[in-house]
Amino acid sequence: AQKVIQVWSTTSRQEGEKLTLDCSYKTSQVLYHLFWYKHLLSGEMVLLIRQMPSTIAIERSGRYSVVFQKSRKSISLVISTLQPDDSGKYFCALWELLLSGSFNKLTFGAGTRLAVCP
Amino acid sequence: GGIITQTPKFLIGQEGQKLTLKCQQNFNHDTMYWYRQDSGKGLRLIYYSITENDLQKGDLSEGYDASREKKSSFSLTVTSAQKNEMAVFLCASSPGGPVAETLYFGSGTRLTVL
Repeated sequence: AQKVIQVWSTTSRQEGEKLTLDCSYKTSQVLYHLFWYKHLLSGEMVLLIRQMPSTIAIERSGRYSVVFQKSRKSISLVISTLQPDDSGKYFCALWELLLSGSFNKLTFGAGTRLAVCP
Repeated sequence: GGIITQTPKFLIGQEGQKLTLKCQQNFNHDTMYWYRQDSGKGLRLIYYSITENDLQKGDLSEGYDASREKKSSFSLTVTSAQKNEMAVFLCASSPGGPVAETLYFGSGTRLTVL
């Protein structure tokens, strides 16, 4: 079963609009972090946001924010005032602290490809 | 800041070929990773390495070998390329040991097999 679910595989918007990308996750761990990454057309993967239990780190300044609903196990990325440069693929990822001693690694969703039209 | 450099950027191979992808990082990070991205799928972990000379299999290790001879470099070998295979291979590193979390990625190697 998928642990990180991004429902929309592709979407498109007009320049200037506001967009919300949804992500839901499954975990039974007490401590976990969530991430939003952007995969650029150049191939580079850029960290946008890191959501920790009670704080959020915005790694890339700009028009990004999140709506984090812990009880619903949902974290949405909000991009305001879209620009053509926002086009790319956005990945949600879950990192869980496993107390079993096994390696803690990121689990990625399938990603949502965004096209912003001028 | 640091940077992760992946070479080559594009790799075109023939079916059955052995192909090697290279990755260098100057963050001085302990942990390095190789992920594969296919269209419509999330990133899947192929191999990771917690320190120099360490190798750990990920979820998709079959058909691949890896090598971490230096802390700064991590290479991945496709042991026998599959016909019509197309994917992006992403190298990443992180500062922590077994509690790694924030990953920093390279720009990727796009593989096409004819």
